[in-house]
Amino acid sequence: AQKITQTQPGMFVQEKEAVTLDCTYDTSDQSYGLFWYKQPSSGEMIFLIYQGSYDEQNATEGRYSLNFQKARKSANLVISASQLGDSAMYFCAMSPDNYGQNFVFGPGTRLSVLP
Amino acid sequence: DAGVIQSPRHEVTEMGQEVTLRCKPISGHNSLFWYRQTMMRGLELLIYFNNNVPIDDSGMPEDRFSAKMPNASFSTLKIQPSEPRDSAVYFCASTRDGLNSPLHFGNGTRLTVT
Repeated sequence: AQKITQTQPGMFVQEKEAVTLDCTYDTSDQSYGLFWYKQPSSGEMIFLIYQGSYDEQNATEGRYSLNFQKARKSANLVISASQLGDSAMYFCAMSPDNYGQNFVFGPGTRLSVLP
Repeated sequence: DAGVIQSPRHEVTEMGQEVTLRCKPISGHNSLFWYRQTMMRGLELLIYFNNNVPIDDSGMPEDRFSAKMPNASFSTLKIQPSEPRDSAVYFCASTRDGLNSPLHFGNGTRLTVT
């Protein structure tokens, strides 16, 4: 069974600094996708970034980048130049390459950006 | 392109009443998921469908919960009878086949059972 671990329940970062949110996963699949989502206090779930298990390059989307280390089974999210609007819950998720695409989510990390 | 549409946005009901939550996935998406989110338990997968067929309903708490997907553009999650511990935000999400396809979430239904 697949499992996602996010060991940081809460994180603080100063505005304009970079922050790394940790994510490790457990799977026996060779092919899978990794995703990060943001949930602000308003409640919606916003897709941020995707990394495929066979992608050799780390994914980047604007200020978001994914530090993918396949051998260590980690997919950490890096947010550069933090902004106050980045304060939210962040969820790491995985989709194995099998029929039906069951998405598995981690418990989340609450990020607070300090002015 | 309209996103995933859930209704109602808020539902307040009394214990013992039947509750029906509705979801319209994004057109062209063939997988649909129902999640429940609470402070205590986080985001829990209840059930997911692929091509309108339930694939995994092991997350459905008990027989009071049922979900249907009669066609590719509509799904319901029903709770009968409802209990106060069912109070949560219920999310519907959809995606299409393919490893790089993210889940697209609806805005959720906040259910309060008194």
